[in-house]
Amino acid sequence: NAGVTQTPKFQVLKTGQSMTLQCAQDMNHEYMSWYRQDPGMGLRLIHYSVGAGITDQGEVPNGYNVSRSTTEDFPLRLLSAAPSQTSVYFCASSYRNSEQYFGPGTRLTVT
Amino acid sequence: GENVEQHPSTLSVQEGDSAVIKCTYSDSASNYFPWYKQELGKRPQLIIDIRSNVGEKKDQRIAVTLNKTAKHFSLHITETQPEDSAVYFCAASKGSNYQLIWGAGTKLIIKP
Repeated sequence: NAGVTQTPKFQVLKTGQSMTLQCAQDMNHEYMSWYRQDPGMGLRLIHYSVGAGITDQGEVPNGYNVSRSTTEDFPLRLLSAAPSQTSVYFCASSYRNSEQYFGPGTRLTVT
Repeated sequence: GENVEQHPSTLSVQEGDSAVIKCTYSDSASNYFPWYKQELGKRPQLIIDIRSNVGEKKDQRIAVTLNKTAKHFSLHITETQPEDSAVYFCAASKGSNYQLIWGAGTKLIIKP
């Protein structure tokens, strides 16, 4: 099993650009989520999904969109990048009330 | 809303000594409590977890205790080693749901 995969590993964007961060898992987990982690800080939940076709907002959803068309994939779209979105983005997946498996992260810089 | 408080934010211990990190949660319906370790530049990884029907769980040098009445749970690391240096996060399930509510993290420094 590959577990949770994320692409790209690194990305530099200019203010106002848009992009999609990819996340995929091969463990048939119902739950998938996106977190952002600013330097020296904790994990903040952006959006999450409890199954295909179902998404909901987390703690810091503004400026981000998600969709879940399949169990495996959960892309995160940045609509119009801002310097405040410079961060490391982690995707995670799990079953209910079980270990969340994290992807390796995407390091995003917005200039 | 629900929250998880984690203390201390930084903990420095001599190699070979024990380290204890404490968390308090607010949601009385929480029933799953994982601990994650995050090394610099890496992803968080589960090191131990406990469910509400258990008071204590041990895995070699790591143990977790849970006091449901007081809504406290703690991570204990014995005989600390340099490779234990990392940031540790506690979390509590949001009710019996999928979501986790995260503590702010503890930076553990092991002094040689």
